[in-house]
Amino acid sequence: EVQLVESGGGLVQPGGSLRLSCAASGFTFNSFWMDWVRQVPGKGLEWVSRINSDGSSTSYADSVKGRFTISRDNAKNTLYLQMNSLRAEDTATYYCARDKNPSVAGFDYWGQGALVTVSS
Amino acid sequence: EIVLTQSPAILSLSPGERATLSCRASQSVGSYIAWYQQKPGQAPRLLFYDSSNRASGIPGRFSGSGSGTDFTLTISSLEPEDFAVYYCQYHNNWPPQSTFGQGTKLDI
Repeated sequence: EVQLVESGGGLVQPGGSLRLSCAASGFTFNSFWMDWVRQVPGKGLEWVSRINSDGSSTSYADSVKGRFTISRDNAKNTLYLQMNSLRAEDTATYYCARDKNPSVAGFDYWGQGALVTVSS
Repeated sequence: EIVLTQSPAILSLSPGERATLSCRASQSVGSYIAWYQQKPGQAPRLLFYDSSNRASGIPGRFSGSGSGTDFTLTISSLEPEDFAVYYCQYHNNWPPQSTFGQGTKLDI
């Protein structure tokens, strides 16, 4: 069974940092591209970042570029999102998601989400 | 940057009725559209990838169609568990871009 489990969320002050982790199991992690998607409470979905299967290529939404860094450790089957210079508008539930296939549109598995609250 | 516009924002229907949800792209996106269902307190669930390919475990009453700029998600006969928020997503690897529509709430 495919499972994605996020951790590392919590309360952080504006300007602070936080690192989210996503532990993957039930599939060959190093064969899949992975993504982070966030959702402000009560609002819609916003794509945040993507990383290819070996970690050599990454992309970011303009809203987080230069502040967030996506990475992965294929030996540990874990995806990361390092978030620096956090702002109030980064408050959201952060989901990790698996790209079904690099050449198709669709994220076929999602974690349960980790809540990040940026507030003083 | 491609913008997706979903309509209507809220669709009020009853069980047994047919639901038609629209997603319009600001420029042609080929078939690089996915559809998701999200219920309160849950992560999104993939319904269709590449516009019309049904994801694993999705009932046959759901169908997806469209290409270019206009896409449609149809639920032929609503079941009580179908009342949720539905999102479309454009997703492409080169140039790298992924964007969601603002969602359609399917309400009883």
